[in-house]
Amino acid sequence: AQSVTQLDSQVPVFEEAPVELRCNYSSSVSVYLFWYVQYPNQGLQLLLKYLSGSTLVKGINGFEAEFNKSQTSFHLRKPSVHISDTAEYFCAVSGSNTGKLIFGQGTTLQVKP
Amino acid sequence: GAVVSQHPSWVICKSGTSVKIECRSLDFQATTMFWYRQFPKQSLMLMATSNEGSKATYEQGVEKDKFLINHASLTLSTLTVTSAHPEDSSFYICSASRGQIDSPLHFGNGTRLTVT
Repeated sequence: AQSVTQLDSQVPVFEEAPVELRCNYSSSVSVYLFWYVQYPNQGLQLLLKYLSGSTLVKGINGFEAEFNKSQTSFHLRKPSVHISDTAEYFCAVSGSNTGKLIFGQGTTLQVKP
Repeated sequence: GAVVSQHPSWVICKSGTSVKIECRSLDFQATTMFWYRQFPKQSLMLMATSNEGSKATYEQGVEKDKFLINHASLTLSTLTVTSAHPEDSSFYICSASRGQIDSPLHFGNGTRLTVT
């Protein structure tokens, strides 16, 4: 079975500052890792994913994440955030090839002017 | 890009009635669809996995007789909340997959269900 822990429920940050949203996972099998963003009352949009290969993954909107197997982490980063990045961010893991995802608790990123 | 349409976007119903939510993949064939439930300020909880032409697989703790899932075609899955009660009020989100991990999972925009 897989599980995901997002260590921060809320992350306030000023505009143009860097940000890191933390995600740790546990799994007894090889995993695939994802970050999604959710705007209010909407579904989820894929930011990036790690399936295999390079541990540094670049996604949309300037986000990137690094897969660290030894630390079982997949932290999301952005060097300079915008007001429009304010949203809920979910880390997710899948241990199968069917697309079944287990989500973390979510982190609210609040970008202040 | 690929789009998943979820309908209705919001619904209010009276306690004891049933509500059907549709999830359609508009430009690809979804061999697998997933139904999630999200409480306010919380994460998405997987309710069930729906495979076209077969019975849905429900997660532990989800009442299959209350949350009826039908995946009759490769582009449509429905979730019916039967005999709804106020505690069923929630945000329900579907997602669709071609069934391969390297194919992205596409999410609908969700349905806000309020049971009065």
